[in-house]
Amino acid sequence: DIQMTQSPSSVSASVGDRVTITCRASRDIGNWLAWYQQKPGKAPQLLIYAASSLQSGAPSRFSGSGSGTDFSLTISGLQPEDFATYYCQQSTGFPLTFGGGTKVEIK
Amino acid sequence: QVSLKESGPVLVKPKETLTLTCTVSGFSLSSGRMGVSWIRQPPGRALEWLAHIFSDDEKSYNTSVNSRVTISKDTSKSQVVLTMTNVDPVDTATYFCARIPLTHFAYDMDVWGKGTKVTVSS
Repeated sequence: DIQMTQSPSSVSASVGDRVTITCRASRDIGNWLAWYQQKPGKAPQLLIYAASSLQSGAPSRFSGSGSGTDFSLTISGLQPEDFATYYCQQSTGFPLTFGGGTKVEIK
Repeated sequence: QVSLKESGPVLVKPKETLTLTCTVSGFSLSSGRMGVSWIRQPPGRALEWLAHIFSDDEKSYNTSVNSRVTISKDTSKSQVVLTMTNVDPVDTATYFCARIPLTHFAYDMDVWGKGTKVTVSS
């Protein structure tokens, strides 16, 4: 199985900050990576697919980059509604695997 | 509008069988390579993918639960069913179903249900 490792596990930031979360795959997954946002008590929502493509309806302040084994999600200009937990997921094939999550908290 | 809705018991006793249903609308379980996955999330923990079923009835399972989990679908009812046998308190979690449309040629989940909380306890 492909292991997905996210860092940091949590980050404190202020409104307006630029935040970057990283995700590492245990082997080359090309650009087959998705990012999700999850708010407390809610289902995850797809933000980014194919490592850097913005899902329809997702704000343009979210961007993704990377390929192979190293990926990142950047939030440019953190908004109050962005405080949530973010997960990466390898989408290359089964078994699908998620990272451990990164909680973005208010500083 | 595409939507998915999970349903099932709130409380299950250890060693019993858990049956969860995902009712979908806005798309067909028989079209293209459309598929539905089940994912769970124990309290305060990360997401764990459990199983997937494609429109052609091909299935895939997480080996960690492989021997206890079965996924099936009833296209006429627009339902995907997950059955988990011999449940244990560690199976306590919120269970989600999600659509994988393969429109991007990748297994990302574009629409999720709201989830259903299941507690395993005697």
